[in-house]
Amino acid sequence: QTVVTQEPSLTVSPGGTVTLTCASSTGAVSSAYYPNWFQQRPGQAPRALIYSTNIKYSWTPARFSGSLLGGKAALTLSGVQPEDEADYYCLLYFGGARVFGGGTKLTVL
Amino acid sequence: EVQVLESGGGLVEPGGSLRLSCAASGFTFSNYGMNWVRQAPGKGLEWVSIVSNNGGSAYYADSVKGRFTTSRDNSKNTLYLQMSSLIAEDTAVYYCVKGDHAVDSWGQGTLVTVSS
Repeated sequence: QTVVTQEPSLTVSPGGTVTLTCASSTGAVSSAYYPNWFQQRPGQAPRALIYSTNIKYSWTPARFSGSLLGGKAALTLSGVQPEDEADYYCLLYFGGARVFGGGTKLTVL
Repeated sequence: EVQVLESGGGLVEPGGSLRLSCAASGFTFSNYGMNWVRQAPGKGLEWVSIVSNNGGSAYYADSVKGRFTTSRDNSKNTLYLQMSSLIAEDTAVYYCVKGDHAVDSWGQGTLVTVSS
């Protein structure tokens, strides 16, 4: 049973920078896992932010960026805004099946 | 504009069956793999399955393998999820989501409740 692990919760001040990570129980995450990142605000469907580790969609704010960091996939928010308070999920590809991380609840305080 | 619209959710008794549908528009449906993702009340996202663009292959989460079947009709731009032997733990909002390695467009979901 493959497990994908994210920080359960993080807190950041407005204007600050925060990095969320996504680890795999199978070992180091690489670009071959095609990491995707999603944002979900309360009562809403998830919204895609990043795919294939670091590629943004046309609607993704510039302050969001994706990378690989220390064997994990990472999502960095620079210049955090109050509206960034939400749940964030990563999704990894395992040669067919996909697995979501448990999600990170980001509080902007 | 890309749109996916799920339907078919509802209340079903344990052990029962249900078929969800997802109508897609605004993109060339036959070019993309399509996923089902679910979210139990108050819980995180759980990937359920993916079917390839031509319907030739499908993959499933261990939690639904052998009970759920994903299929598609490219002539109707429609994705399906046939669910059987339903259990309480299958209670969730089910989302239809476009994409293979770029998983990008989500519907608003349809609620499935498994209860007697």
